Amino acid sequence: QVQLVESGGGLVKPGGSLRLSCTASGFTFNYHYMSWIRQAPGKGLEWISYISSSNTTRDFADSVKGRFTISRDNTKNSVYLQMNSLRVEDTAVYYCAREKTYLEGVFDIWGQGTMVTVSS
Amino acid sequence: EIVLTQSPATLSLSPGERATLSCRASQTITNYLAWYQQKPGQAPSLLIYDASNRATGIPARFSGSGSGTDFTLTISSLEPEDFAVYYCQQRTNWPYTFGQGTKLEIK
Repeated sequence: QVQLVESGGGLVKPGGSLRLSCTASGFTFNYHYMSWIRQAPGKGLEWISYISSSNTTRDFADSVKGRFTISRDNTKNSVYLQMNSLRVEDTAVYYCAREKTYLEGVFDIWGQGTMVTVSS
Repeated sequence: EIVLTQSPATLSLSPGERATLSCRASQTITNYLAWYQQKPGQAPSLLIYDASNRATGIPARFSGSGSGTDFTLTISSLEPEDFAVYYCQQRTNWPYTFGQGTKLEIK
């Protein structure tokens, strides 16, 4: 079935790094833009990054620009989020989400999320 | 950045009642608005996109309306499984932004 599975979350100290992975199955991965969206504990949703289907364009929220990078490997049906210079306020559940074909910005499939905790 | 303001913050209703949730944008977003449902401990799921289009598998009791800056999600007759948090989201401009959510709780 159509599925996204995130991994790579965990506990990291402020200033540290973490790499999240999201592996897709059940659909043609290289047809879709992909995004990362996060949710701090007890809070709302924050879109943080997207990458185009062909890996040519990407963008970031100001809150993570210059610290996070996004990439994908269409041969592995995977998208990645490299998080550097982590801050306490980056603590959140990180979701990857598929964007509908031809309807970029509509998130029709979500992973279950992976928890990132930044704490000393 | 486009700010989305949802109201009310909490809505207390009983099964079988009609629910009306609102989302207002800080500037026009034409019809590029989506609604998501999130249950405790779960990822959000898409309900409505481009203001009024139901996502695959979404029951007809869910409907969306509006354009410009004012949007509404209506649940015509609440089922027990509909009690959750609902978020609106715009895709007109980057960064894509979400509203702060409306919690729909059982009265």
